[in-house]
Amino acid sequence: AQSVAQPEDQVNVAEGNPLTVKCTYSVSGNPYLFWYVQYPNRGLQFLLKYITGDNLVKGSYGFEAEFNKSQTSFHLKKPSALVSDSALYFCAVRDDGSARQLTFGSGTQLTVLP
Amino acid sequence: ETGVTQSPTHLIKTRGQQVTLRCSSQSGHNTVSWYQQALGQGPQFIFQYYREEENGRGNFPPRFSGLQFPNYSSELNVNALELDDSALYLCASGHGQGVREQYFGPGTRLTVT
Repeated sequence: AQSVAQPEDQVNVAEGNPLTVKCTYSVSGNPYLFWYVQYPNRGLQFLLKYITGDNLVKGSYGFEAEFNKSQTSFHLKKPSALVSDSALYFCAVRDDGSARQLTFGSGTQLTVLP
Repeated sequence: ETGVTQSPTHLIKTRGQQVTLRCSSQSGHNTVSWYQQALGQGPQFIFQYYREEENGRGNFPPRFSGLQFPNYSSELNVNALELDDSALYLCASGHGQGVREQYFGPGTRLTVT
């Protein structure tokens, strides 16, 4: 079975400050990890993924994420937050075996304060 | 925008009725997955179709069924609607059986009264 935990329902950060949204995962094989963002009444927008290779993954809109195998984590980061980054963020995982589905976390609401 | 489209945008149905939701995949994609996102929760996997055959299913009852057409567009059918079926239904397309990336449509908001 595969699972994802996003321990924070809400993260608040001041504009211009660095942000981190936390994610930990559990899979039976090697993980494929993803971050998606959702704006109100919209679908999910892909931000970045980790399949293999460098542990630091760079994605859209200045976001990056660090894969840490020993801590089974894949935290989303951005050096300088913008008010427009305020949205709902989802971490997702699937294993590299036969599983077809993405398993999503419960989401973290990010609010960037001006 | 991803190029994945869904229709309708919103839908209101009565308990016990049947509903069909539609999805048009991004060009070049041959895999489509459907997810249910209840209010305040993350998306839950319903099933996936690859080249017109179901090749993965989540923990949803048989009254949730689907189709994928030769042009890789897809339908999600839900019979005997229940109040708990009220949710945002998301379609995602990708390429290949072991898809590495999925691109989501805007979703269909279903309300069951």
